[in-house]
Amino acid sequence: QSVLTQPPSASGTPGQRVTISCSGSSSNIGRNTVNWYQQFPGTAPKLLIHSNNQRPSGVPDRFSGSKSGTSASLAISGLHSEDEADYYCAAWDDSLIAWVFGGGTKLTVL
Amino acid sequence: QVQLQQSGPGLVKPSQTLSLTCSISGDSVSSKSAAWNWIRQSPSRGLEWLGRTYYRSKWFNEYAVSVKGRVKINPDTSKNQFSLQLNSVTPEDTAVYYCTSMDVWGKGTTVTVSS
Repeated sequence: QSVLTQPPSASGTPGQRVTISCSGSSSNIGRNTVNWYQQFPGTAPKLLIHSNNQRPSGVPDRFSGSKSGTSASLAISGLHSEDEADYYCAAWDDSLIAWVFGGGTKLTVL
Repeated sequence: QVQLQQSGPGLVKPSQTLSLTCSISGDSVSSKSAAWNWIRQSPSRGLEWLGRTYYRSKWFNEYAVSVKGRVKINPDTSKNQFSLQLNSVTPEDTAVYYCTSMDVWGKGTTVTVSS
C-alpha cells in the first residue's frame, strides 16, 4: 500500500492530452514539493518534473505538473507513442521522515 | 553532469549482508545542497526509499522505518562515493536497488537473496 495514491492505469490516443493524479496528505504533498518520474521497463526512473512544475533540461514542454493542497497532477499533451511508460509521483513526508512514492500509473498509448 | 555508477554483488545468501556502492561523478558526496539516497523496487513493494546521507556542516543519516536497525548508509569522501549495507537479508529483500540524488539515478542493481 503506497503512501501516495495514483490510478494504476491511464490511456490515450496519439495527440491527446492525458492527466495522472497523485493524492497525498498534509504531511507530504501538503507541505512539500512533488517530483514526477518516468520509467521504461528494465531502466531506472528518470526525473520528469521537480518542485511541482519544473522541467529539467531536456524534458519536452508537453509534460507539465501542478499541485493543489494535498494533490498533484501530471499532464501530458500531444501524446506520443514513446510516452508509453510507468509514471510515479514522489514527495518528502515530514511525519515519516522519508521519501514516499505513489504506486505508479501505467500509461498506454492506444 | 552528475552520474552515479553502482557496484556490488547481485546474489546474497539469506541472513548475510547486502553491500552496494555508488560512485559519484560531477558532484561531491560532501555537497551542502545534495542528499544521497538508496531506493529499491520490487513488484510487491513498488518504489521503496531506504535511507539517505547528506552533509550540512556535519553528516546526517535518515533511514526508513521498514529497514531501521538493519541498514547503514555511509559516505566515503576519499572516493567520492556512498554505500548501502543491509544486514540479515531475507528473500523479501530481493529487489532492484538504486542510488539516487532524487534528480539523477544509477542504473540499478538487481539483488537476489537466495541460498
